[in-house]
Amino acid sequence: DSGVTQTPKHLITATGQRVTLRCSPRSGDLSVYWYQQSLDQGLQFLIQYYNGEERAKGNILERFSAQQFPDLHSELNLSSLELGDSALYFCASTERGTDTQYFGPGTRLTVL
Amino acid sequence: QKEVEQDPGPLSVPEGAIVSLNCTYSNSAFQYFMWYRQYSRKGPELLMYTYSSGNKEDGRFTAQVDKSSKYISLFIRDSQPSDSATYLCAMSEWGSQGNLIFGKGTKLSVKP
Repeated sequence: DSGVTQTPKHLITATGQRVTLRCSPRSGDLSVYWYQQSLDQGLQFLIQYYNGEERAKGNILERFSAQQFPDLHSELNLSSLELGDSALYFCASTERGTDTQYFGPGTRLTVL
Repeated sequence: QKEVEQDPGPLSVPEGAIVSLNCTYSNSAFQYFMWYRQYSRKGPELLMYTYSSGNKEDGRFTAQVDKSSKYISLFIRDSQPSDSATYLCAMSEWGSQGNLIFGKGTKLSVKP
């Protein structure tokens, strides 16, 4: 158990809908990263937040957005969902003073 | 050409065998190299972390980085059925605080 929690574990929804994925980093970790993992693209970095502020952006679609709250939990919002958005979404947090990323168990999103 | 190439396997070996997993990359600015292990339906967990070229050993695991050839390897000695998982290489220009670029992963199965 990495100490990073993600909810929900599974999410099934329809095209065009909007969902919110939640992540709580390990206690004391200020950075949160979001990744998407699909069979064809592998694990891809989406976005990073550090202490409430966006720090880096990767291959994140405009339909996706994220934020990190004062209590350091983060939410990833996915809107106008398409079939191709079906994937595993992971968040990770980084131990302060190290470069180690600890991954959560992921949220499996299925868009029908 | 993708930034990071990794043979997806699957790779099947008998228990006790030496396993060699490899990744090649194209971006010469990468300085930080990691190997993650991902069990089915779990998040990736960090196995090995190396900076620049050289070898690093941790128990049965050895990571090698050859920056001149843009080639990294993970060796597993005395492989065990519990090593059966997908192994992902990852790399970055700025350590884990930056954008991690992952290979697609190699699925390993160690047969008793």
